[in-house]
Amino acid sequence: GQNIDQPTEMTATEGAIVQINCTYQTSGFNGLFWYQQHAGEAPTFLSYNVLDGLEEKGRFSSFLSRSKGYSYLLLKELQMKDSASYLCAVRGIAAGNKLTFGGGTRVLVKP
Amino acid sequence: NAGVTQTPKFRVLKTGQSMTLLCAQDMNHEYMYWYRQDPGMGLRLIHYSVGEGTTAKGEVPDGYNVSRLKKQNFLLGLESAAPSQTSVYFCASSGEDWGQPQHFGDGTRLSIL
Repeated sequence: GQNIDQPTEMTATEGAIVQINCTYQTSGFNGLFWYQQHAGEAPTFLSYNVLDGLEEKGRFSSFLSRSKGYSYLLLKELQMKDSASYLCAVRGIAAGNKLTFGGGTRVLVKP
Repeated sequence: NAGVTQTPKFRVLKTGQSMTLLCAQDMNHEYMYWYRQDPGMGLRLIHYSVGEGTTAKGEVPDGYNVSRLKKQNFLLGLESAAPSQTSVYFCASSGEDWGQPQHFGDGTRLSIL
């Protein structure tokens, strides 16, 4: 089975940086995904890590350490529109590319 | 490009009624998934399909059935709705390559009274 933990809620100020941590325990690992979900909307894909290290995409970066079962999503130069939930999801090794999601971290950006 | 389309977007049912949620994707994806999302629980996989004519159980399959008669469509059925099935249901699809993300529909908000 898989267990994924991330903080429930975080608050940050516009223009600042926020780091959302995700820890996982899994019987098989084949990649970690981060999704953004605005209230009442569908999750949208942000990033994918399968090897250790940092992946950077504009203001968003994601880091993975497979040996520690740990990832983080870094949001820089926060904007009001970044207020959303951020979902960490782990892909196992079974057929079907199935994902197991954490409970999500709700980020509130304040002016 | 529509991506993943779910119908209906909202529905209210009475306990014991049945209904079918429809998911259609136009990306020629092999894999399709049905999730439910409840407050504080995250997304939980109900059933999934790895190709036309195939279905498999996910984490929370009880009370639901699915069918994948055509590659582009994945149907989720509730035979006898229960209040515990009040939730937001998301359909997703993905390609077969390991690095491909799942693409989600806009969701169906289902209330069972």
